[in-house]
Order: sequence, then structure tokens, then C-alpha cells
Amino acid sequence: GIQVEQSPPDLILQEGANSTLRCNFSDSVNNLQWFHQNPWGQLINLFYIPSGTKQNGRLSATTVATERYSLLYISSSQTTDSGVYFCASGGYNKLIFGAGTRLAVHP
Amino acid sequence: GAVVSQHPSWVICKSGTSVKIECRSLDFQATTMFWYRQFPKQSLMLMATSNEGSKATYEQGVEKDKFLINHASLTLSTLTVTSAHPEDSSFYICSAIRDNQETQYFGPGTRLLVL
Repeated sequence: GIQVEQSPPDLILQEGANSTLRCNFSDSVNNLQWFHQNPWGQLINLFYIPSGTKQNGRLSATTVATERYSLLYISSSQTTDSGVYFCASGGYNKLIFGAGTRLAVHP
Repeated sequence: GAVVSQHPSWVICKSGTSVKIECRSLDFQATTMFWYRQFPKQSLMLMATSNEGSKATYEQGVEKDKFLINHASLTLSTLTVTSAHPEDSSFYICSAIRDNQETQYFGPGTRLLVL
């Protein structure tokens, strides 16, 4: 089955810094999503991005499907960005989640 | 739009009892709902996929007699943990798909503690 790997596993930033999170997937997919899990456990949809580039405020994502990776960019990080960022890949009936990147943004 | 709710958000029960968790799509009809389980500091693991009016499809290693899933309507799916034991303690999260789209929308999760 599809394997999803995320890096780095942990990331500590000073408020205002930029960062890039990476997601590699093992097979061609028609679904790639990025989520932010806040400290209360709620998963928040960030991007549905099986290919191409999207931007939403300080966040942007790029997926290069032919090379089987996706990147999530966080600019001007804020303490509220802290939490776990998951990449999930797969098809209509199944999402496989990566292990996540645990981000801590300090003031 | 695309709001998913779960109830309860927290449940503590004694070993041997059964616990029912509800997942509702509040502002859309969910063609498919999913149930995930997450242990502390780990990723989400898909337990089962349910479609309205049909039997759920369970992932390998998930006991279907232990985790009963009923997708009674296009807005409600329930997960019942039968004869719960301490090892069933976990964070259970549901998600839903609308209009056969790919994007999954997640509920806030239910924390289950079995004593």
C-alpha cells in the first residue's frame, strides 16, 4: 500500500520564522491533503492539493505528483501555528496519514 | 460549510461496558464516513469506512464485532465500542466526504478512557 513519510518529525521555531515541511509518498495518488491538528485534537483542513500550488494567507503548499512529494510552507510563524501537521495521501476510499511534524513556535 | 460534529467529546467508562460515539455532518449530506483511531503522539489509523445503508468496511486487524459501525442516514454514523477494555482507551475521530468529493472533513474527536 501507499506509504507516506514526513520530515522533519519535530521543529522548533522562533515566532516570525519561516519553515518548510515535506511529505513524500510512495505511489501515484489522486488525493493529497495537509492538516493541522491543534492541541485539542481537532484536525483542520489546510489544503487539498494532489498537484500544483495553492496559497492561503501565510500558508502555501506545492505538490509535484510526478516526483511524489509535497511541501507545506509556513511564513512568519505565530504561536498559534503550534501543533502537529499531517500529510495524508491516497484515494477516494482511504487516506493514509504520515507520522506528522510536531511544530512548536515560541514567542 | 462542511462541519462535522462528534458526541460525546469525552467519555470515561468501566471495563466491560459498551460506549456509543456519534458522528454527524451538520450542513451537508455525507456519502461516506470514516472512523480513525489515534494513540498519544501517534498518527491517525483508519479503522473503517461506512456508507449510508450498507455494511462498514473494516481495515485489516480491526475487530468488527468489537467496533460496531452503523451509518443510519446521510448525516449520522455511530461507532459502538462493545465490552470496552483499558486497551481500547484512545482518541476516536470521524470524518466525512460530501458529494463524492475527495476532501475529508474531520470531527473534533472523542477521548475514551476505560478504567
